[in-house]
Amino acid sequence: ENVLTQSPAIMSASPGEKVTMTCRASSSVSSSYLHWYQQKSGASPKLWIYSTSNLASGVPARFSGSGSGTSYSLTISSVEAEDAATYYCQQYSGYPHTFGGGTKLEIK
Amino acid sequence: EVKLVESGGGLVQPGGSLRLSCATSGFTFSDFYMEWVRQPPGKRLEWIAASRNKANDYTTEYSASVKGRFIVSRDTSQSILYLQMNALRAEDTAIYYCARAPTGTHYFDYWGQGTTLTVSS
Repeated sequence: ENVLTQSPAIMSASPGEKVTMTCRASSSVSSSYLHWYQQKSGASPKLWIYSTSNLASGVPARFSGSGSGTSYSLTISSVEAEDAATYYCQQYSGYPHTFGGGTKLEIK
Repeated sequence: EVKLVESGGGLVQPGGSLRLSCATSGFTFSDFYMEWVRQPPGKRLEWIAASRNKANDYTTEYSASVKGRFIVSRDTSQSILYLQMNALRAEDTAIYYCARAPTGTHYFDYWGQGTTLTVSS
């Protein structure tokens, strides 16, 4: 099983700040199969970035994703209040799919 | 509009059984992989089961944590996904989500609102 470790677990940012969160895999992941989800409190997850760097429908352009191999990241160029949520990475390199532990983004 | 609506959650005693349903609409059910993902209270998301599409004979996959106890199936005439859960344990307590996965992408582009299972005596 490919274990995903996200860091930091919790981060706090002021509006307008640039933030980056990372997702590290225990084994290499094809960039086609590394994805990110946003989950707000009490809600279902939403697909946010797919295949490392492609924004899902409706995702603001201030979000971006990058990475390869075992190291991936999600960046917000200028954080807004509505970005407060937990972000999970997910990978597929054969079953089972696995998810990271999440990065909770708090807005100051 | 794509919709996924789970139902069937509740309180079950350890060792008991329950069947979850996921009613779908707005897309061709047979064309997509359908998945179950759960989230224990305060914990990370956990993928537990997949039902491949018609082109792949609706074959199934399971996580090690539920294999042999849970069964995923479809009613293709009504576009409903099921999860039959047997021999339930306290650690199965979670919100259960169904999700759609476009073939070959291995990501989950639509999710239901979730249904809550509590396993407790």
